[in-house]
Amino acid sequence: QQQVKQSPQSLIVQKGGISIINCAYENTAFDYFPWYQQFPGKGPALLIAIRPDVSEKKEGRFTISFNKSAKQFSLHIMDSQPGDSATYFCAASMSGNTPLVFGKGTRLSVIA
Amino acid sequence: KAGVTQTPRYLIKTRGQQVTLSCSPISGHRSVSWYQQTPGQGLQFLFEYFSETQRNKGNFPGRFSGRQFSNSRSEMNVSTLELGDSALYLCASKRDGSYNEQFFGPGTRLTVL
Repeated sequence: QQQVKQSPQSLIVQKGGISIINCAYENTAFDYFPWYQQFPGKGPALLIAIRPDVSEKKEGRFTISFNKSAKQFSLHIMDSQPGDSATYFCAASMSGNTPLVFGKGTRLSVIA
Repeated sequence: KAGVTQTPRYLIKTRGQQVTLSCSPISGHRSVSWYQQTPGQGLQFLFEYFSETQRNKGNFPGRFSGRQFSNSRSEMNVSTLELGDSALYLCASKRDGSYNEQFFGPGTRLTVL
C-alpha cells in the first residue's frame, strides 16, 4: 500500500526552466510534508517542508504548493540549473513522533 | 556542527552472515531512525530509537534489529543475510521538539553475495 504517490519518475528540464514534481497522499492524518534532494552517493538532504496550515512556502528557487482538499502537494524549482540534477523525494508524516513515508522519487536532469 | 555519520560506508557480505551498521547522530539529537533504500522499493522505514528505547518499528522481519546507546549512537544488525538485503541503509537523526525534521547520513551500502 503506497501512501504517497510521486510523479513523474523522471524529468528532463532545460536550464532556466521550471521543474515541477507532484505528490499525492491518502492519509488525511498526515500533517508534515517535506521534500528531500539526493545526489548519487549521498544521503537525502532536507530541502523544504510545509504544514497544512499554509498553501505555499517558498525558499529561494524552491516552492512547495499544497492543496489540502485534493490531498496533493508539489515542488517547483524555478530557474532550474544543471546543479539541481538529482533525485527528489516527497514525504509525509503524522504529528508526533511518527516515521516519514516517502514517495518513490523523481530523477531530475537539467540540461544546458 | 557535524552531520550524521555512518560507518562503514561500504560492506560486502555473503548470504547467511550477519552485519552490524553504526550511526552517530548530530550532537544533541536523541532520535535516530533507520531506513532501507532500494531501487525497487524506495525508502522504507525500519525503526526509530529515542533515549535507548525503540519508539517505532516498520514492517521488516525480526532479522533486522537495532539498539541505541546512552550517547545516542545507534547500531542496526541484520542476521542471516539474504540477497534481497542488498541496499543502502540510511540513518537519520532528529532534534527533540523539532516537528519531524530528519537529517540523514550518507548511508552504508551493503552488498550481499
